[in-house]
Amino acid sequence: DAKTTQPPSMDCAEGRAANLPCNHSTISGNEYVYWYRQIHSQGPQYIIHGLKNNETNEMASLIITEDRKSSTLILPHATLRDTAVYYCTYSGGGADGLTFGKGTHLIIQP
Amino acid sequence: DAGITQSPRHKVTETGTPVTLRCHQTENHRYMYWYRQDPGHGLRLIHYSYGVKDTDKGEVSDGYSVSRSKTEDFLLTLESATSSQTSVYFCAISPGLAYEQYFGPGTRLTVT
Repeated sequence: DAKTTQPPSMDCAEGRAANLPCNHSTISGNEYVYWYRQIHSQGPQYIIHGLKNNETNEMASLIITEDRKSSTLILPHATLRDTAVYYCTYSGGGADGLTFGKGTHLIIQP
Repeated sequence: DAGITQSPRHKVTETGTPVTLRCHQTENHRYMYWYRQDPGHGLRLIHYSYGVKDTDKGEVSDGYSVSRSKTEDFLLTLESATSSQTSVYFCAISPGLAYEQYFGPGTRLTVT
């Protein structure tokens, strides 16, 4: 069974904000939420991660609900190069590693 | 981008032959990971290392061994390759537990 639940696909217009949701209801208190993306045949690319506070970096913002059972990744001004499969996961590190489910295929429309 | 290289990038081998994949980093990160990615199974951890000569098993370690004799190199060995080990293999590095992981470009292995 997948650890997280994400919509299989989403469309977004170029220049608009892309909001990608993720449910992770079985997350434990010491596990971080991570977001990665993968462009066809390339290695996964780290985007952002957080524990319970909202986070922002040069790529995106991460909004985590107060109960930590879900989160939203926000790409503020999507470009065509943001078309990729986006994975949400959680981990405490070490032997847990990272487990990716099927992710969300985000398609940015011109 | 983090300095991670994987070699070879593509390999075709026959069932029963030994195969070694190499991951090399220039970031001096303590943690290194080997994953495989398969359609329908997503990304799964094979082995990881938390220091030189310190390794541990992941979710799908059967049929694989690893070694780390230097900080910068993490080797994944398939002692006797099987068709079920046909996959894309990714190496990742991380400065510590609960930190982000940075992935290499991957090795596409086909076992015939």
